[in-house]
Amino acid sequence: ETGVTQTPRHLVMGMTNKKSLKCEQHLGHNAMYWYKQSAKKPLELMFVYNFKEQTENNSVPSRFSPECPNSSHLFLHLHTLQPEDSALYLCASSLRDRGVEAFFGQGTRLTVV
Amino acid sequence: QKEVEQDPGPLSVPEGAIVSLNCTYSNSAFQYFMWYRQYSRKGPELLMYTYSSGNKEDGRFTAQVDKSSKYISLFIRDSQPSDSATYLCAKVLETSGSRLTFGEGTQLTVNP
Repeated sequence: ETGVTQTPRHLVMGMTNKKSLKCEQHLGHNAMYWYKQSAKKPLELMFVYNFKEQTENNSVPSRFSPECPNSSHLFLHLHTLQPEDSALYLCASSLRDRGVEAFFGQGTRLTVV
Repeated sequence: QKEVEQDPGPLSVPEGAIVSLNCTYSNSAFQYFMWYRQYSRKGPELLMYTYSSGNKEDGRFTAQVDKSSKYISLFIRDSQPSDSATYLCAKVLETSGSRLTFGEGTQLTVNP
């Protein structure tokens, strides 16, 4: 248990559905991240939040919409996804000004049908 | 050119072998180097990190950085079946401190 909890663990959704991924950290960190992990590809950073403010959007399509209501919670809202968006979505957190020790959640395995 | 290059393997070794996992990187500005381990169906967990050239040891694991050749390595001594996982190397910009860049990961299997 790393202190970063993601729900749901698995999600199957149709291309016209709207769903949300949730991440919660109990580590007192102020930076939170969304990563996408696809087969045979490096982890792709999607979004970064520091103290609830978005500091990085790595050219992510608008069908992915992040939300960070406080430093402990992070959401990823999904709508009109494509089959190629199927992947493992990982949430991570770290201290505000050092991303060295990032702690990851177990991920949400997303399948878009 | 990828910022971090890592041989995806798979790599299969017998129990007790010394394992060498390697990455190369392309930007001299990067200063912090990390190794993450990811078991199947789990998120990555930080194994070790270092911010200078040379070796850092933690039990059976040794991380080595050679900044002159832009090469980072992870050595596992006396490998165990429980070491079977995907190993990800990563680095982070000194200035930003918030952007981890990962390699593709090397899948390791240690056979009993």
